[in-house]
Amino acid sequence: ETGVTQSPTHLIKTRGQQVTLRCSSQSGHNTVSWYQQALGQGPQFIFQYYREEENGRGNFPPRFSGLQFPNYSSELNVNALELDDSALYLCASSPTSGSVDTQYFGPGTRLTVL
Amino acid sequence: GQSLEQPSEVTAVEGAIVQINCTYQTSGFYGLSWYQQHDGGAPTFLSYNALDGLEETGRFSSFLSRSDSYGYLLLQELQMKDSASYFCAALRDSNYQLIWGAGTKLIIKP
Repeated sequence: ETGVTQSPTHLIKTRGQQVTLRCSSQSGHNTVSWYQQALGQGPQFIFQYYREEENGRGNFPPRFSGLQFPNYSSELNVNALELDDSALYLCASSPTSGSVDTQYFGPGTRLTVL
Repeated sequence: GQSLEQPSEVTAVEGAIVQINCTYQTSGFYGLSWYQQHDGGAPTFLSYNALDGLEETGRFSSFLSRSDSYGYLLLQELQMKDSASYFCAALRDSNYQLIWGAGTKLIIKP
């Protein structure tokens, strides 16, 4: 098991609502990346935070936003939820940006939008 | 656009060897990673190739050919616990973004 934790494990929301997902990075890691994984698909990169600053963003609309805190934990916020936002949301922490071989994933948050 | 192609499903026999191929079309390509994901679980890092050639880690090996925009993951001495989905992912140098393939479901028969 990695030291990356995510909460909540599962979440059910209705269309138009807002949601906040949380991620605690592994000790010593200053970089957190967020991914969306739809059923049967590969993860899609949402954004990355490095030392509290956004360090890159994938092709997601502005209603997907994030934060990284001084302890390097992170939040993903999604506003105006749509049915297509239903997915597994994964966070991954790494000791520095770009170090894929030491990037560890959390167990994910399963979001269902009704 | 950015894309990675890999077979959707591969079937093999326990104890055998299987190869999962991946072709990519990605600007700013930096390297190719491989991940394993069991149903309901998180992806686990397996291997990373930044340079052409073969990388070996125990029963798993990964190969990259930049000139062919192609890589593969080789799994030897297959065990039932290797039944999972395997993803290739390209690392882009612009912002260290990982672009993922759709995954290959590996089915292992006794």
